[in-house]
Amino acid sequence: AQTVTQSQPEMSVQEAETVTLSCTYDTSESDYYLFWYKQPPSRQMILVIRQEAYKQQNATENRFSVNFQKAAKSFSLKISDSQLGDAAMYFCAFSMDSNYQLIWGAGTKLIIKP
Amino acid sequence: NAGVMQNPRHLVRRRGQEARLRCSPMKGHSHVYWYRQLPEEGLKFMVYLQKENIIDESGMPKERFSAEFPKEGPSILRIQQVVRGDSAAYFCASSPRGLEGAFFGQGTRLTVV
Repeated sequence: AQTVTQSQPEMSVQEAETVTLSCTYDTSESDYYLFWYKQPPSRQMILVIRQEAYKQQNATENRFSVNFQKAAKSFSLKISDSQLGDAAMYFCAFSMDSNYQLIWGAGTKLIIKP
Repeated sequence: NAGVMQNPRHLVRRRGQEARLRCSPMKGHSHVYWYRQLPEEGLKFMVYLQKENIIDESGMPKERFSAEFPKEGPSILRIQQVVRGDSAAYFCASSPRGLEGAFFGQGTRLTVV
């Protein structure tokens, strides 16, 4: 069975600094998808970044980038130049297919210090 | 402690039929959230319930959709007279005290044909 682990319940970072959120997963499959979602107090779940396992290049979206280590089954999220609006819960998720039947990590609460 | 259980995993309905999606929260969790994910989009909040109460249904379409979380049993998201646009993945999350610490189910994939 696939599992997703986020070992950091809470992280804090100074505004404008860089922070990395950890995520590891377990699967025996070779093709799959990985996601980072942001959940602000509004309760919406916002897709931050998506990575296909067959792609070696790490996905990047503006200030957000991932470090995808397939052999180590690690998928960390790096947020550069942290802003107050980045404060939220961040969830790592795994999917076997594009239908987004997702397996979720427990989430990391990110606090931004002004 | 089993995680958040959603069933069925896949549901196919013809236009005009009713769809019932079930969510069994984790043991000890009294807060339930339902989200809908359309292809290539993030999850959109639909409704937030506590046992026997709807706390916030601001994301729920006004017609055809309803949700409940009875004292006993799973939370149910009910969609009456489904249309093709209802096809999506529906996710449920539960927590003991609000969004922090919420755990998500694997979702129910609804396909309307």
